[in-house]
Amino acid sequence: DQQVKQNSPSLSVQEGRISILNCDYTNSMFDYFLWYKKYPAEGPTFLISISSIKDKNEDGRFTVFLNKSAKHLSLHIVPSQPGDSAVYFCAATPGNAGNMLTFGGGTRLMVKP
Amino acid sequence: GAGVSQSPSNKVTEKGKDVELRCDPISGHTALYWYRQRLGQGLEFLIYFQGNSAPDKSGLPSDRFSAERTGESVSTLTIQRTQQEDSAVYLCASSPQLALEQYFGPGTRLTVT
Repeated sequence: DQQVKQNSPSLSVQEGRISILNCDYTNSMFDYFLWYKKYPAEGPTFLISISSIKDKNEDGRFTVFLNKSAKHLSLHIVPSQPGDSAVYFCAATPGNAGNMLTFGGGTRLMVKP
Repeated sequence: GAGVSQSPSNKVTEKGKDVELRCDPISGHTALYWYRQRLGQGLEFLIYFQGNSAPDKSGLPSDRFSAERTGESVSTLTIQRTQQEDSAVYLCASSPQLALEQYFGPGTRLTVT
């Protein structure tokens, strides 16, 4: 039973355009959500997070949107750059520090020059 | 400062042999996590250490898997009598106390032949 799902295994976007990566979850206990970026042969790198008390969090080119009623979050990257090409994982946790992260299966983003 | 380090980076072993994987967390991080990522899948939680508390072993897939941590430093993950389905990238992460973001090492790629 996958509690965090990323339904698009891959996404291809032209440089300069917006990339939108989606994530759905089923566990209503999840209270804090994170996005990680992973390059080949490297560990995941923390990108941006959002608490369930917010519906949007922005950091430079990256914005995460949370729709708690729909149990859906998305990561927007604008403008997309070739260096953004990587696998993106969304993760969720009940929000108590020390809880393990539950990850989605990842979406491979390819940004074409 | 230095990030999370893991060794070895790659390990090839024969089915039935034991393996030991090592993780050095970021200095001062009290929490340490082990995850594994099978090919094409998301990260799967294995075990969590927090200070001197009893570890959360709820993610360990079988009793062939065990882990130890010395105080708030190095951790070792041991897999006994390895099976082919144990082949995966094993990732270690650490975080400061009360923090939700986890910082990952580069992983150990384990191949069981």
